[in-house]
Amino acid sequence: AQSVTQLDSQVPVFEEAPVELRCNYSSSVSVYLFWYVQYPNQGLQLLLKYLSGSTLVKGINGFEAEFNKSQTSFHLRKPSVHISDTAEYFCAVSAASYDKVIFGPGTSLSVIP
Amino acid sequence: DSGVTQTPKHLITATGQRVTLRCSPRSGDLSVYWYQQSLDQGLQFLIQYYNGEERAKGNILERFSAQQFPDLHSELNLSSLELGDSALYFCASSVDGSGSDTQYFGPGTRLTVL
Repeated sequence: AQSVTQLDSQVPVFEEAPVELRCNYSSSVSVYLFWYVQYPNQGLQLLLKYLSGSTLVKGINGFEAEFNKSQTSFHLRKPSVHISDTAEYFCAVSAASYDKVIFGPGTSLSVIP
Repeated sequence: DSGVTQTPKHLITATGQRVTLRCSPRSGDLSVYWYQQSLDQGLQFLIQYYNGEERAKGNILERFSAQQFPDLHSELNLSSLELGDSALYFCASSVDGSGSDTQYFGPGTRLTVL
C-alpha cells in the first residue's frame, strides 16, 4: 500500500519569496505522483504530475516539482510566490497500476503581502 | 470550470435523515470518484466507479452507498445521518480511472447535519 506525508501543515511566506512544500511517500512499487491545489471555496485542480521520464516536472502557474526516488520525495517549488497562490496544496500518490490515488493531509500556503 | 457538476451546492438536514448527492462527470470521462473533506479528517477517498462498475473502495461507511448510472452520472446516498457526517463532499472524474489519470474535481456539496 502507498502512503503520503506532508510534513508542513502550514507554510507562511512573504510575497515574491521562494517557497518549497515538502512531500514524502512510501511505496513498494513504482508510483505516479501528483500535486493538486485547492483555492478557497473551490474543488481541487491538478498542478502537475510525474509519471515517468525527467524527474523535474513543470506545472501550471510557475510551479515545479522534483521526483527523488532515493529519498522518496516529490517536493513542490516556486521561485517567487504571489498573493493568488494562497491555497491548500495536496500531494498524492498512486501505484503504477489501476489503483486508487492516496492524498496527503495537505499544506496550507499563506502568502503575506 | 472543471466540467464536473455537482448538485446541490449546499444541503442542510437533520440527524437520522437520508440525502442524495449527484455528480455529472466531464464529457467523455468514464470514471467517477467520491471524496469527503472535513477539518479533522482531511480529504478522504470514499469510492470509485468505472463505466458503471465499482472499481475501488476507500473509507466509506456502511450507511453510505453510491452508484454510477448508464449515462455515467453518479449519486452518493448518505443515510442515518450523524452530526459527524457534516463535511464537503467532492466528486471527481477521469478518463479511464487509471492511477496515472488526472482527476477533475467538481465544486463540491457542503452538507450540514443539525
